[in-house]
Amino acid sequence: AQSVSQHNHHVILSEAASLELGCNYSYGGTVNLFWYVQYPGQHLQLLLKYFSGDPLVKGIKGFEAEFIKSKFSFNLRKPSVQWSDTAEYFCAVNAYNNNDMRFGAGTRLTVKP
Amino acid sequence: DSGVTQTPKHLITATGQRVTLRCSPRSGDLSVYWYQQSLDQGLQFLIQYYNGEERAKGNILERFSAQQFPDLHSELNLSSLELGDSALYFCASSVGTGTPKETQYFGPGTRLLVL
Repeated sequence: AQSVSQHNHHVILSEAASLELGCNYSYGGTVNLFWYVQYPGQHLQLLLKYFSGDPLVKGIKGFEAEFIKSKFSFNLRKPSVQWSDTAEYFCAVNAYNNNDMRFGAGTRLTVKP
Repeated sequence: DSGVTQTPKHLITATGQRVTLRCSPRSGDLSVYWYQQSLDQGLQFLIQYYNGEERAKGNILERFSAQQFPDLHSELNLSSLELGDSALYFCASSVGTGTPKETQYFGPGTRLLVL
């Protein structure tokens, strides 16, 4: 079964700093990859997803992620964070034919104004 | 607001009891998913229903069961509750048959505390 690792548990940045959150998965087959965000007091919402094609995926709010198959990675990036990006970020993966979605432990991002 | 509603928001109960969590999907969505988020296990997929039929199963305990009704709302039943069942239970919905590629829209969750 697939599993997901998010190595950064808590990241603290100042506004305008660049962001990169790591996500690695373990699964030998074809996967679908997702990044979800949970703002304080709100529900989980999808930032972006990758199924196939261009490995650089653009999502909402200026976020992007790059799928590197050889590294089993799907890192999330944003060139310049804002205070409103303070949230918890979850990487998730499911096999292309299986709805059993596996989530990483989450990375808490704190952006200082 | 995702359009997915869950009731109740909070639930406090005792060990050994049984509770029912309710989820109403977004209007038009046919698939419902249940997840458990706990401090030690993180966010885990429990089960998925599509149009009343069970479609996929994850790490759901035998003490837990779910169903999706003809009006498409779903209920998650948790029985013989243990302290370790204390968690946030999320419901999500998606528009189609629930293929792995579909975007899931999450509800606000039900926070369960077992004392």
